[in-house]
Amino acid sequence: DSGVTQTPKHLITATGQRVTLRCSPRSGDLSVYWYQQSLDQGLQFLIQYYNGEERAKGNILERFSAQQFPDLHSELNLSSLELGDSALYFCASSVVPVSPLLTYEQYFGPGTRLTVT
Amino acid sequence: EDQVTQSPEALRLQEGESSSLNCSYTVSGLRGLFWYRQDPGKGPEFLFTLYSAGEEKEKERLKATLTKKESFLHITAPKPEDSATYLCAVQAFSGTYKYIFGTGTRLKVLA
Repeated sequence: DSGVTQTPKHLITATGQRVTLRCSPRSGDLSVYWYQQSLDQGLQFLIQYYNGEERAKGNILERFSAQQFPDLHSELNLSSLELGDSALYFCASSVVPVSPLLTYEQYFGPGTRLTVT
Repeated sequence: EDQVTQSPEALRLQEGESSSLNCSYTVSGLRGLFWYRQDPGKGPEFLFTLYSAGEEKEKERLKATLTKKESFLHITAPKPEDSATYLCAVQAFSGTYKYIFGTGTRLKVLA
């Protein structure tokens, strides 16, 4: 158990709908990351938050957005869903280094499996 | 273009048959290279961090090494429970933070 929790475990919804995925980081971690994993593309970095602020952005679609709340939990909002958005969505957390010269490992949650029909 | 490439895509080994997985990378501003293990339907599990060329880390039957262009994950005398997908990832900073994963090597160890 990594200490990172994600809800829900499974989500089935229709095209055009909007869903919210939730993540709670490990105790003490200030940074949260969101990834999408589909069969043909592997793990794709979407976005990182640090202590409530966006820190890095990857291949995140405009239909997707995220935020991190004062209690450090994070939500990933996916809207106008398409069939191609079906994937596993992982949240990860880490300690944040004080300098960009340093880096630390990320601890992943169990994921949310999203199926768009 | 920043890239992480893993080979082979899949590997079948007999129990006790040692082998190596490769991760080659092209990225500017490398800050660290990471190895993760992922079981089907589960989140990646952290194994190792390597920061500079020449560095080596070991854990049980696994040993990770790093050069300026690639990393190897050596598996010595594997057991069936080592069957999983092994992911390589790099973290970099060159004005912006980058987190790039390879597509993984699916390892199957046969009893």
